[in-house]
Amino acid sequence: LAKTTQPISMDSYEGQEVNITCSHNNIATNDYITWYQQFPSQGPRFIIQGYKTKVTNEVASLFIPADRKSSTLSLPRVSLSDTAVYYCLVGDKGYSTLTFGKGTMLLVSP
Amino acid sequence: EAGVVQSPRYKIIEKKQPVAFWCNPISGHNTLYWYLQNLGQGPELLIRYENEEAVDDSQLPKDRFSAERLKGVDSTLKIQPAELGDSAVYLCASSTGLAGGYTGELFFGEGSRLTVL
Repeated sequence: LAKTTQPISMDSYEGQEVNITCSHNNIATNDYITWYQQFPSQGPRFIIQGYKTKVTNEVASLFIPADRKSSTLSLPRVSLSDTAVYYCLVGDKGYSTLTFGKGTMLLVSP
Repeated sequence: EAGVVQSPRYKIIEKKQPVAFWCNPISGHNTLYWYLQNLGQGPELLIRYENEEAVDDSQLPKDRFSAERLKGVDSTLKIQPAELGDSAVYLCASSTGLAGGYTGELFFGEGSRLTVL
């Protein structure tokens, strides 16, 4: 399984755009990139998934360069409620033994 | 539609006692997962079921942990006897699995927080 590296923590202010980058140098051809969000005392929640280029949904955007060795989760205009841990996962969508790392703790301040 | 339901939410026991956690996945989800999450860490997979078959239990400490998913729906995770180091959150997740147009999305329950004294 491809290993991922992401910052341990990030700070931001309300209304700013936040970009969290994840490195996955050993990503395999069949691997997808998936991001989850976790609030305290809750299970992780799926945010977005992509394979290449750019994916956008109502919550976030995911940018994946051509070599796919990294990806960036972009959260537009964050609010206090976006304070959470964000996990980047890489794995074969068909077999879903996704490995969570330690994630990035995002703290949004007023 | 109801999400993944876990119980109990909290459990405090003394070491060497047994404990069991129950999970009811989203209706129609063939794949069920049990994860363990220690404080400040990401979830770690313990076991994955495809219907009633455990297809990946390589990370399950089989000397004290056991799991079952009878009839391919609900699942129970048991620890006997519990040790101090088992204090953690036990998360259950489900997905549509390979046969259901799997999208890669796991749906998690709120977890069961275990404290072993």
